[in-house]
Amino acid sequence: DAGVIQSPRHEVTEMGQEVTLRCKPISGHDYLFWYRQTMMRGLELLIYFNNNVPIDDSGMPEDRFSAKMPNASFSTLKIQPSEPRDSAVYFCASSLAFGKGTEAFFGQGTRLTVV
Amino acid sequence: SQQGEEDPQALSIQEGENATMNCSYKTSINNLQWYRQNSGRGLVHLILIRSNEREKHSGRLRVTLDTSKKSSSLLITASRAADTASYFCATPSGGGNKLTFGTGTQLKVEL
Repeated sequence: DAGVIQSPRHEVTEMGQEVTLRCKPISGHDYLFWYRQTMMRGLELLIYFNNNVPIDDSGMPEDRFSAKMPNASFSTLKIQPSEPRDSAVYFCASSLAFGKGTEAFFGQGTRLTVV
Repeated sequence: SQQGEEDPQALSIQEGENATMNCSYKTSINNLQWYRQNSGRGLVHLILIRSNEREKHSGRLRVTLDTSKKSSSLLITASRAADTASYFCATPSGGGNKLTFGTGTQLKVEL
């Protein structure tokens, strides 16, 4: 397996534009997570899915953020409209259930810059 | 919110020395994990220790867990320049189905 694949690796966009980040989890993993990493706030969990169903989106900062998982092999995180304070590195990760003592596998991240 | 807090926030040592990082967490857990992040990359899992374990080894890594103090430590022995990275502890929360990360320790190993 190629691991968790994210695209694009880098995204520069103007304030107000829509941004879509993409993630392909590891086949067979039933959990998918979106994290955001900034210097100020560290690594924050935005939302996670179990078997394609959103379970906890309490970390999503605002209604401008939305995430979908239409099937087991694909998820998107959308920001509309984007703002400069959304600039961060966004990571997707997949796993089996952590409570069973399994690890998370992270993608390489998407570095988003909103100007 | 952050479940774990690592200290120190930054650590600079010479190659060959040992590096120790500490993690404190808030709620009861059934396992604790350590991850490494190289600059500009995603996080990579290093080691997992279960709540009924007190110590675990993996190569040059040694992890301890004290559930009574809600703390863990990661020791890297005989450090190398390639160990330069940020290290995070992580604990399951939300019923064990999500992983919450600490604030991280930035380790720099100098030649």
